[in-house]
Amino acid sequence: EVQLVESGGGLVQPGGSLRLSCAASGFTFSTFGMNWVRQTPGKGLEWLSFISSNSASTPYADSVNGRFTISRDNAKNSLYLQMNSLRDEDTAVYFCARSRYYNGWYYFDYWGQGTLVTVSS
Amino acid sequence: DIQMTQSPSSLSASVGDRVTITCRASQGISSWVAWYQQKPGKGPKSLIYAASSLQSGVPSRFSGSGSGTDFTLTISSLQPEDFATYYCQQYKSYPLTFGGGTKVEIK
Repeated sequence: EVQLVESGGGLVQPGGSLRLSCAASGFTFSTFGMNWVRQTPGKGLEWLSFISSNSASTPYADSVNGRFTISRDNAKNSLYLQMNSLRDEDTAVYFCARSRYYNGWYYFDYWGQGTLVTVSS
Repeated sequence: DIQMTQSPSSLSASVGDRVTITCRASQGISSWVAWYQQKPGKGPKSLIYAASSLQSGVPSRFSGSGSGTDFTLTISSLQPEDFATYYCQQYKSYPLTFGGGTKVEIK
């Protein structure tokens, strides 16, 4: 059974940093691309970043480019999101999601349950 | 960026009803649309990919159609476990973008 479990969320002050983790199990993690997506009541679902299986490709959404860094450790079956220079508007539930390849394109076939990040002074 | 406009934002329906949700892309995206179901406190669940392909394990009462800019998710006979929020998503190009969601509530 595919499982994705996020952790690392919490309360952080504006300008601070936080590192999220996503522990993967039930599949060969090193062969799948992975993503971070966040959700807020106001903006809905927002894709943040993708990382290819070999970490060679890492596109970002404009809203987080230069502040957030996606990475992975295939030996540990883990995905990470380093979040720096956090702002109030980064308050959200953060999900990791697996990419599945189909006919040249990738969609999300499994999601974690999410971890809440609150940015507030 | 490709905008995904989903409608309606909410609907009330009864068990056994046929439900249709639509999604319009701001530009042509071929068939690169996915649909997800989300229940409170949970991550989204994949239902449909490539506009009309059913994700493994998803009941056949769910179906998707469309191509280009207009897409539809249909639930042929609404079941109690289907009351949830549904999202469309385009994966034709970065940034990947989602519709605003449709909350399906019990009438």
